[in-house]
Amino acid sequence: QITLKESGPTLVKPTQTLTLTCTFSGFSLSTSGVGVGWIRQPPGKALEWLALIYWNDDKRYSPSLKSRLTITKDTSKNQVVLTMTNMDPVDTATYYCAHTPWYNWNPGWFDPWGQGTLVTVSS
Amino acid sequence: QSVLTQPPSASGTPGQRVTISCSGSSSNIGSNTVNWYQQLPGTAPKLLIYSNNQRPSGVPDRFSGSKSGTSASLAISGLQSEDEADYYCAAWDDSLSWVFGGGTKLTVL
Repeated sequence: QITLKESGPTLVKPTQTLTLTCTFSGFSLSTSGVGVGWIRQPPGKALEWLALIYWNDDKRYSPSLKSRLTITKDTSKNQVVLTMTNMDPVDTATYYCAHTPWYNWNPGWFDPWGQGTLVTVSS
Repeated sequence: QSVLTQPPSASGTPGQRVTISCSGSSSNIGSNTVNWYQQLPGTAPKLLIYSNNQRPSGVPDRFSGSKSGTSASLAISGLQSEDEADYYCAAWDDSLSWVFGGGTKLTVL
């Protein structure tokens, strides 16, 4: 059974850097074809993809947020870390991490998802 | 504004069949497969359909997906009250990014 859980601060100030950790079980990021992605959802709004990282350390970022994001993995700890710099109130959202397979030479889908963590950006 | 276009709302009565559309472009739906997610109130999204029309284990066969050209659809037959949720489509874009629809809120009347 695959499970993921997000952790990090619930409140950050504008201009600060957000660091979120996704701790997972039931799979290994050293296994070929496996990845972890981050997706966020502002209150009452739609899902927005942020970044993903694969077993081979291939990384992809949202073009609109690429300059602010960094995704890394720690295979030994079964963790993926996402950092987002220069936080703004518009970045207030629930942040989810999710397991994602590489499928038929393309990114597959997100399944399952973590429970999400609400991050509020306010002074 | 989302890259994939979905109607903001849909509705139906119990037992009815409803469809939700998702419109994209040649760089996403037109050249890659579509996934659908269901988000029940206050919960994390759940994979509902992958690779256009495949159901994960445990998803009832009342849910089905299809794709044609640069558009995709999710159909729910035998609508039930527990189907009331937000539904999102998603596809990989050739710009090397995932794109999502704006979501459709399904109301069971």
